[in-house]
Amino acid sequence: DTGVSQNPRHKITKRGQNVTFRCDPISEHNRLYWYRQTLGQGPEFLTYFQNEAQLEKSRLLSDRFSAERPKGSFSTLEIQRTEQGDSAMYLCASSSRTGLAGGSSYEQYFGPGTRLTVT
Amino acid sequence: QKEVEQDPGPLSVPEGAIVSLNCTYSNSAFQYFMWYRQYSRKGPELLMYTYSSGNKEDGRFTAQVDKSSKYISLFIRDSQPSDSATYLCAVYRGSTLGRLYFGRGTQLTVWP
Repeated sequence: DTGVSQNPRHKITKRGQNVTFRCDPISEHNRLYWYRQTLGQGPEFLTYFQNEAQLEKSRLLSDRFSAERPKGSFSTLEIQRTEQGDSAMYLCASSSRTGLAGGSSYEQYFGPGTRLTVT
Repeated sequence: QKEVEQDPGPLSVPEGAIVSLNCTYSNSAFQYFMWYRQYSRKGPELLMYTYSSGNKEDGRFTAQVDKSSKYISLFIRDSQPSDSATYLCAVYRGSTLGRLYFGRGTQLTVWP
């Protein structure tokens, strides 16, 4: 399977614990994105990497959230001191560099997501 | 005001019907318009995208953008039960930014 993969698929944690999710993008895609989706809502943007550089962050990404992409390949999203409001599906997407107007962020391919439940 | 507004439905149609899904957006700076399909508890799947105004057709799916009224549509012809899913519209400004803005999705059921 050459699509975007995410691990774990499900995570149940207690309030106050730290969690880390991993995303492996489509190989050779240099752009990687994290979104959060709650029930009945569309995905909400969290952050975006081009190679290893984090170029854009949403205000949703509070101080408890940190994302890395150390070698420009896989990425991790860590949530510290989880709260019940963090319960959501965390989606990762990737895109390649080619496309119109010097960018292709309109053609993002999503992984299956990590469903986080904070009890 | 949200960047993208989308009626969540639900929408229920018989097999073979023509389905029309719609979104409105607020900012004329958006240049790319996408439709994603999302099955329950799965990640969104890109169906098609359109640059600027006009129509784009892919099999039974037609995407339409009217930038003058900031209105985007997806038409599904000869709908099938396998089309039952949530359909999400998304918009993108372009340039070096990465963020997509999504509507909340319309839940579609096609019954046999």
